[in-house]
Amino acid sequence: DTGVSQNPRHKITKRGQNVTFRCDPISEHNRLYWYRQTLGQGPEFLTYFQNEAQLEKSRLLSDRFSAERPKGSFSTLEIQRTEQGDSAMYLCASSFQDRDRTSGSFADTQYFGPGTRLTVL
Amino acid sequence: QKEVEQDPGPLSVPEGAIVSLNCTYSNSAFQYFMWYRQYSRKGPELLMYTYSSGNKEDGRFTAQVDKSSKYISLFIRDSQPSDSATYLCAMMGTGGFKTIFGAGTRLFVKA
Repeated sequence: DTGVSQNPRHKITKRGQNVTFRCDPISEHNRLYWYRQTLGQGPEFLTYFQNEAQLEKSRLLSDRFSAERPKGSFSTLEIQRTEQGDSAMYLCASSFQDRDRTSGSFADTQYFGPGTRLTVL
Repeated sequence: QKEVEQDPGPLSVPEGAIVSLNCTYSNSAFQYFMWYRQYSRKGPELLMYTYSSGNKEDGRFTAQVDKSSKYISLFIRDSQPSDSATYLCAMMGTGGFKTIFGAGTRLFVKA
């Protein structure tokens, strides 16, 4: 399978514990994104990387959240001291720049993984 | 007010109907407009993207962007039960790659 993969698919933890999720992007993609999605809502942007550099972070990403992408390959998202409000689906996407044939401009085509569903008890 | 507004539905149509899905937005800096399909408990799947205003067609799907009205649409022709899913609009500016999603519209196509 050459798509985006995420592990684990499900994680149940107790409040106050730390959790770490992993994302393996499509191999030739240089950008990687993390999103959070709750029931009935669209994905909310958390952060993104270009290669190994973390270029933008949402204010949703409190100091309990940290993301890394060593060597510009896989990425990890860690949540420390989990709270019940952290329960959500955590989605990873990777992308490459695709040239729009009509306009000639570049667009960022994101491909999503299956997500990691976190439940904090 | 949210940057991107999308009616959550649900929208229920008979098989073969033409489906119209819409989003409005407030940020005039958005330049790239995307539509994703998401099945239950799966990640979103990119259907189409367009740059600036205009129409784009791909098989049974047509995407329209009207930047003057800050309004985008996705039309599905000859809808099938397999089209039953949540459809998400998404937008991005040119100053970075932060992508803003709508809340999604749940679509049911009845056989």
